[in-house]
Amino acid sequence: GQQLNQSPQSMFIQEGEDVSMNCTSSSIFNTWLWYKQDPGEGPVLLIALYKAGELTSNGRLTAQFGITRKDSFLNISASIPSDVGIYFCAGQKGVTSGSRLTFGEGTQLTVNP
Amino acid sequence: GAGVSQSPSNKVTEKGKDVELRCDPISGHTALYWYRQSLGQGLEFLIYFQGNSAPDKSGLPSDRFSAERTGGSVSTLTIQRTQQEDSAVYLCASSVIGVSGNTIYFGEGSWLTVV
Repeated sequence: GQQLNQSPQSMFIQEGEDVSMNCTSSSIFNTWLWYKQDPGEGPVLLIALYKAGELTSNGRLTAQFGITRKDSFLNISASIPSDVGIYFCAGQKGVTSGSRLTFGEGTQLTVNP
Repeated sequence: GAGVSQSPSNKVTEKGKDVELRCDPISGHTALYWYRQSLGQGLEFLIYFQGNSAPDKSGLPSDRFSAERTGGSVSTLTIQRTQQEDSAVYLCASSVIGVSGNTIYFGEGSWLTVV
């Protein structure tokens, strides 16, 4: 099935550093979502983006919906140990009628204290 | 609770047995999704229900997999004659169309181990 290209696959950073990850696609999506998954848990929604060019923040998290609708990035500022986990981007083509999410393969983030 | 609820949270079954996994979506959410996540992998779409429309079953991996959604609310994912490769986390999600768009929320998953 269709995949989103998410990078990097993994990151090892020091506490306090900023983090950036992104997703790209060969096709257009009308919604971009970013999720975080902790071990043994389901994905938890972090940020939802609905308009091309939209820049949205949620605390230390900032995400942008690319102008071309084919990409999105997530930034985490001043990382802390509890930011550890797997971050997934997801794109959705439908808006008014809803449709399936297509997921990236995830970015495994490790934060060293 | 206010979130998507799944049961059982863990299930160990013998190869060849049938299993049923249940999902209670968030109240008022019209759309319901099932995804599968194998260990260390991303999320694989299985099936999608939207209101009274015919479900999108295009992600079901074989005819051993089926799902129902009764009364537009609770959904059951059934796996017949389970195989070891069916071992995974089965995640349910629900959503509703809001002013801004369609935001999807996940349950904590049902961990299936086929031995």
